[in-house]
Order: sequence, then C-alpha cells, then structure tokens
Amino acid sequence: AQKITQTQPGMFVQEKEAVTLDCTYDTSDQSYGLFWYKQPSSGEMIFLIYQGSYDEQNATEGRYSLNFQKARKSTNLVISASQLGDSAMYFCAIYRGGATNKLIFGTGTLLAVQP
Amino acid sequence: NAGVMQNPRHLVRRRGQEARLRCSPMKGHSHVYWYRQLPEEGLKFMVYLQKENIIDESGMPKERFSAEFPKEGPSILRIQQVVRGDSAAYFCASSPDSPGEYFGPGTRLTVT
Repeated sequence: AQKITQTQPGMFVQEKEAVTLDCTYDTSDQSYGLFWYKQPSSGEMIFLIYQGSYDEQNATEGRYSLNFQKARKSTNLVISASQLGDSAMYFCAIYRGGATNKLIFGTGTLLAVQP
Repeated sequence: NAGVMQNPRHLVRRRGQEARLRCSPMKGHSHVYWYRQLPEEGLKFMVYLQKENIIDESGMPKERFSAEFPKEGPSILRIQQVVRGDSAAYFCASSPDSPGEYFGPGTRLTVT
C-alpha cells in the first residue's frame, strides 16, 4: 500500500524568506507521480507542482520547487520569497497509475506567512 | 475552457434526507474522481469513474453512498439518509487520463 507522511502540522515563515515543507512517501511501485496542492481558507484545491518518479531533474514552477530525493523517498516543497498570500494548507499526494488510478493525500501542513 | 464545476457549493441537509452532489468535468475529460475531506483532515479517495463505468470504488462507504457518471450529463455523488458524520467537503477532480491537477471548488455538505 502507498502512504504519504507530512510531519509538520504547522509552519511559520517571515515574508520574503524561503520555506521548506516536508513530505515522505512509501511505495513499492517503480512508476509513480508526486503532487503538491495548496488549499487556502476559501477551500479550493490548487495544483502547484508535479514530479514524476523517472524525472531526473527537480521540478520547478515559478516560486515553487521540489527537492526530490528518490532514494530517501522524500519530495519536499520549497517556496521561495514567501508572500502573505502563501498562507494556506499544503498537501502532498502520490499517484499510482494502472487500475488503481487515484491520489493518496498526506494530512497537510498549515503554513502561516508573517509580515 | 471552464474548469471542473461542482454544484451546489454549499448544501445543508437534515439527518435522514438525501444529498446529491454534481460534478461537471472539464471539456474533453472522461475520468472523474470523488474525494472527501473531513474537517481538519486531508482528502480521501472515494470513487473513480469513467463514462458509464465505475472503475474503482474502494473508498466508498458500503452503504448509503453511490456514484454515477452517465453518458450525458454530470457525475452525481448520492448520499442517502445522511448522518452528521457525512458533514464534509466533497471534491471532484477530472482528467483526460491520469489523475492530477484539475479539482473542482468542492461542495460543503452540512448535516444538521
């Protein structure tokens, strides 16, 4: 079975600083995908960034980047130059293809950006 | 191109009533997924459907819950005889093939 673990229930960061949100996973699959989503207080799920298990380079998307360490089974999200609007819940998720075509989510990290 | 649409956005039901949640996938997407988010928790997979077929319902409660994705029209998640424990946010996602980034805004169900 696949499992996603986010060990930080909450994080604080000063505006304009960088922050790293941790995510580790457990899977026996060779091929899988890893997602990060942002959920602001308004409730919608906003896709941020994706990393495929065979991607050799760390994914980047604007101010978001992943520190993907396959051997350690971790995919930490780095947000650079934090903004007040980054305050939200952040969820890591793993996707397994094939017949079991679904996302398994972690419990999330609540990020608060302080001015 | 409109995103994934869900309605209603908020739904209040008394215990014992039925709740119907609708999801219109993005144009061209034939895969629909339903997830449930209980308060203070992450999203939990419920069911995966393709047009007229349930592919994986391993996350659906055995009783009172059903889902469909007809040939025409939106996907429907139906909860019969709702109980207070059904109060949650229900999210729909769609994709052309593999799951991913296209989530709807969610339906917040409150059972009183």
